[in-house]
Amino acid sequence: DADVTQTPRNRITKTGKRIMLECSQTKGHDRMYWYRQDPGLGLRLIYYSFDVKDINKGEISDGYSVSRQAQAKFSLSLESAIPNQTALYFCATMPTSTDTQYFGPGTRLTVL
Amino acid sequence: DAKTTQPPSMDCAEGRAANLPCNHSTISGNEYVYWYRQIHSQGPQYIIHGLKNNETNEMASLIITEDRKSSTLILPHATLRDTAVYYCIVRGMDSSYKLIFGSGTRLLVRP
Repeated sequence: DADVTQTPRNRITKTGKRIMLECSQTKGHDRMYWYRQDPGLGLRLIYYSFDVKDINKGEISDGYSVSRQAQAKFSLSLESAIPNQTALYFCATMPTSTDTQYFGPGTRLTVL
Repeated sequence: DAKTTQPPSMDCAEGRAANLPCNHSTISGNEYVYWYRQIHSQGPQYIIHGLKNNETNEMASLIITEDRKSSTLILPHATLRDTAVYYCIVRGMDSSYKLIFGSGTRLLVRP
């Protein structure tokens, strides 16, 4: 079983719709991250959380919000999706004991 | 965070060593060098990291120059499954522990 799961894996939606991407982990890590990746580019940080009551903006948080419902769950929402939010979205976790991040399989989001 | 420079693409023959260079000339004393790879569009996978000493694990070796301005990731016996984009990341010790990804090196392992 995968340690970091993301749902859905693929999503096509229309401009203006509200979308939620979910991330769950069984690794017991406190730190969780959301990144986006545009074609041919590296990943960019959207939001991160170090525990249930801790939420921090990354470099490209505009247009996104997050919720850390439990240690194991970190959701990313697009309140009103726009076409330039079409991208591959990755969730990652990191234990407090090391600096290694573990990534989920990604969600491919297309906004028409 | 220091910027890294990597060649956009490289190739090597299966079974041979793949040596992937990275330049990080503005690295500061407390910044680590990390290597991740991304196979097709899967989630990035951690490979190895180091501060100043050379490091080796079951996946690869990391050679960091004495002045720390560059490093080389070595895959000792590349296989077709090592075809991926390899990212060299210099990560500081800021409070987010975020990874700043560049464009990476696309490694093609030829049969």
